[in-house]
Amino acid sequence: DGGITQSPKYLFRKEGQNVTLSCEQNLNHDAMYWYRQDPGQGLRLIYYSQIVNDFQKGDIAEGYSVSREKKESFPLTVTSAQKNPTAFYLCASSIRTGAGELFFGEGSRLTVL
Amino acid sequence: KQEVTQIPAALSVPEGENLVLNCSFTDSAIYNLQWFRQDPGKGLTSLLLIQSSQREQTSGRLNASLDKSSGRSTLYIAASQPGDSATYLCAGRKKTSYDKVIFGPGTSLSVIP
Repeated sequence: DGGITQSPKYLFRKEGQNVTLSCEQNLNHDAMYWYRQDPGQGLRLIYYSQIVNDFQKGDIAEGYSVSREKKESFPLTVTSAQKNPTAFYLCASSIRTGAGELFFGEGSRLTVL
Repeated sequence: KQEVTQIPAALSVPEGENLVLNCSFTDSAIYNLQWFRQDPGKGLTSLLLIQSSQREQTSGRLNASLDKSSGRSTLYIAASQPGDSATYLCAGRKKTSYDKVIFGPGTSLSVIP
């Protein structure tokens, strides 16, 4: 079955540590996205990628980094520079930016201890 | 200022009722509208996408309409079931410096058996 797989589902991090969240899709989509969801704030875009080896900052990119070395993979690193990293992180993809449905993974919940 | 709003924020109905969820957007540049369902602790599941050239879409008991001139979309759920209980989000897509998807805050639906 085609879809988006995020891992890990739950992650705990000590302050000052970097962590990487995995996102893999087998939908053959060009565009991939990372969103952050906080209670009462809705979804906010962190980074997006339109094609392999290209990515752009979204609305809240500070303290995060991404890479897009393969079409199917778009990992997100939450760095120690992110001041409030505890949140629910969602990866999404669409056939290309500006078109088609947006599909989401199951999410990763990051808690900073 | 919320670019996409959803009314009501929460709704509780008895099983079997037909119901309407509302989504309003202020930006006339929004050119398509997607409805999602989110269960607690889970990712978003795409329900319906209404493209710019369409006025409505139907899938099973769900019907979504889009009126760009008034900046409104509605999601109609027929013969509601307890399994429909979830949060429903609408999202509009518009062209800015990048292809931007703007999410509403969601409507939390409870269907009582």
